Amino acid sequence: AQSVTQPDIHITVSEGASLELRCNYSYGATPYLFWYVQSPGQGLQLLLKYFSGDTLVQGIKGFEAEFKRSQSSFNLRKPSVHWSDAAEYFCAVGLLNYGGSQGNLIFGKGTKLSVKP
Amino acid sequence: DGGITQSPKYLFRKEGQNVTLSCEQNLNHDAMYWYRQDPGQGLRLIYYSQIVNDFQKGDIAEGYSVSREKKESFPLTVTSAQKNPTAFYLCASSRASGADQPQHFGDGTRLSIL
Repeated sequence: AQSVTQPDIHITVSEGASLELRCNYSYGATPYLFWYVQSPGQGLQLLLKYFSGDTLVQGIKGFEAEFKRSQSSFNLRKPSVHWSDAAEYFCAVGLLNYGGSQGNLIFGKGTKLSVKP
Repeated sequence: DGGITQSPKYLFRKEGQNVTLSCEQNLNHDAMYWYRQDPGQGLRLIYYSQIVNDFQKGDIAEGYSVSREKKESFPLTVTSAQKNPTAFYLCASSRASGADQPQHFGDGTRLSIL
């Protein structure tokens, strides 16, 4: 069965430091992968997506993610974190067997990012 | 600008009462979704609709009902059968129903018990 794992529930980084949020997936083929961000009390906003081609994907707000097939990973990175990046981040994978009880995307449980001044 | 509008932002329910959460989109998307979000549990799918007049149960449909009479609207009713309705509810839509379709989200409705 397809699944998405975000191993880190909560990460704290200092402002200006680099960031890497981990995402691992279980999938039988090349997946469609997404990263979303959620500010407190808000909906989710799409940061970036990977379908095929270049394994390094650029997104909004200065984020990028790298698809590594050998590691079944799609980690999100940012070179220098700003205080406004404090939020919760969700990784998602597109489901091939759309029509079941999970819709078209499976979401990880999220990683909450705190930023120290 | 196109987007998804959820209302109200905050909603309070009395014991034994049904309440309806509104979700409207002007993105001309075919598919729409309702999620429940509880702390530490990520997003759990309640119902989704691939097209007008059709909808399917998600993982946690018990105690909820939906309708999809218009393309742009997908209201969610939290019935009295849902014994623990306190949560943050998110509505989303996607252009079509494929694995490559990103979902676009509204700003959510927070439901609490009085």
